[in-house]
Amino acid sequence: DIQLTQSPSFLSASVGDRVTITCRVSQGISSSLAWYQQKPGKAPKLLIYAASTLQSGVPSRFSGSGAGTEFTLTVSSLQPEDFAAYYCQQVNSYPLTFGGGTEVEIK
Amino acid sequence: EVQLVESGGTLAQPGGSLRLSCSASGFTFTDYGVTWVRQAPGKGLEWVSSVNGDGSTTYHAASVKGRFTISRDNSKNTLFLQMNSLRAEDTAVYFCATVLFQGGRRAGLDYWGQGTLVAVSS
Repeated sequence: DIQLTQSPSFLSASVGDRVTITCRVSQGISSSLAWYQQKPGKAPKLLIYAASTLQSGVPSRFSGSGAGTEFTLTVSSLQPEDFAAYYCQQVNSYPLTFGGGTEVEIK
Repeated sequence: EVQLVESGGTLAQPGGSLRLSCSASGFTFTDYGVTWVRQAPGKGLEWVSSVNGDGSTTYHAASVKGRFTISRDNSKNTLFLQMNSLRAEDTAVYFCATVLFQGGRRAGLDYWGQGTLVAVSS
């Protein structure tokens, strides 16, 4: 199975900060990676697919990059509504697997 | 508007069975693969099972293989998860989600239901 390692697992940041989350994959998956945001008590929301394509309706301050085994999610200027958990997921092959998550907290 | 509504979650005994349902509307259900994802209390997301549009191909995580079965009834726009031999570690919120394809490749899970809670305890 393909393993995904997210870092950091916890991040404390202020409104306006630039934030970067990394997802390392145990084997090459081309660009078959998605990023999700999840707020407490809610379903995950797709932010980025195909490593770098912004899902419709997602603010442009979110961006994704990478290919192969290393990927990043960047929020260019953190807004109050961005404090949430973030997950990466590989969709290259079954079993589809998620990273362990990154909790973004207000500093 | 795309809607996915899960139901069937409840308190179940270890070794017992449950069937979850996910009712879909607002899109052509047969055009989409669908997936179950679960989240144990305070934990991360775990992919459980997926099925393709016509129901002919299914995939299950190793943790549920042989115990859980995903299926769909396209005449009723409904996805199911039959859960047998339940264990305490199956306790989680179960979400259904549609599979986004772009350029013929899986790209992510784009629409999600609100989730249904399964608690396994004696």
